[in-house]
Amino acid sequence: QPVLTQSSSASASLGSSVKLTCTLSSGHSSYIIAWHQQQPGKAPRYLMKLEGSGSYNKGSGVPDRFSGSSSGADRYLTISNLQSEDEADYYCETWDSNTQVFGGGTKLTVL
Amino acid sequence: QVQLQESGPGLVKPSQTLSLTCTVSGGSISSGSYYWSWIRQPAGKGLEWIGRIYTSGSTNYNPSLKSRVTISVDTSKNQFSLKLSSVTAADTAVYYCARAAEGYCSSTSCRIPYYYYYMDVWGKGTTVTVSS
Repeated sequence: QPVLTQSSSASASLGSSVKLTCTLSSGHSSYIIAWHQQQPGKAPRYLMKLEGSGSYNKGSGVPDRFSGSSSGADRYLTISNLQSEDEADYYCETWDSNTQVFGGGTKLTVL
Repeated sequence: QVQLQESGPGLVKPSQTLSLTCTVSGGSISSGSYYWSWIRQPAGKGLEWIGRIYTSGSTNYNPSLKSRVTISVDTSKNQFSLKLSSVTAADTAVYYCARAAEGYCSSTSCRIPYYYYYMDVWGKGTTVTVSS
């Protein structure tokens, strides 16, 4: 079963860009993941699914500022032109052996 | 578009059974290749997958909860439900229902082709507290 590792926190300034990382455990580097955003006090929201090739498909209504990329076992979520509403927890997710797995989440602070 | 709404008691006594229902609106629970899932989140913590069901009745559960979880579906009501038995304070959390969409990773992208699943629609969540 894969393990998804995320940094616990990240910060960036309003209007800048930030790149969040989700790392797949050994033996699972080709897995597809999904990114979710959870704003304070709200339910998670699906952002995109991301392949090992770097190809991604975003959910309906997700702003163009959100993009994905990959390198080896690392899956990235890049947010450009950071807005205050981007301050949230971000979770990655994958699937294997009849089990859904979530990363521990990254808390993004917009300065 | 499809929307999900959780419902059920907000307070459950220790050792009793937690029961929640998720109502699907804006589409049929039986259409498409979707699994219907439950996820929970204790206050200040991350997301924990509980399990899922297909409209055929096929289920998969988190191994750590499997002995206490039952997920069922009622296609006539466009609903699916969660039962978690023998609850303790550790089961206090926000419970979310979600739709899991299916994708296929071909041999051109993945070493071994496989079907995968990811949550693409979430309910708003309902808080369940276990306390006497």
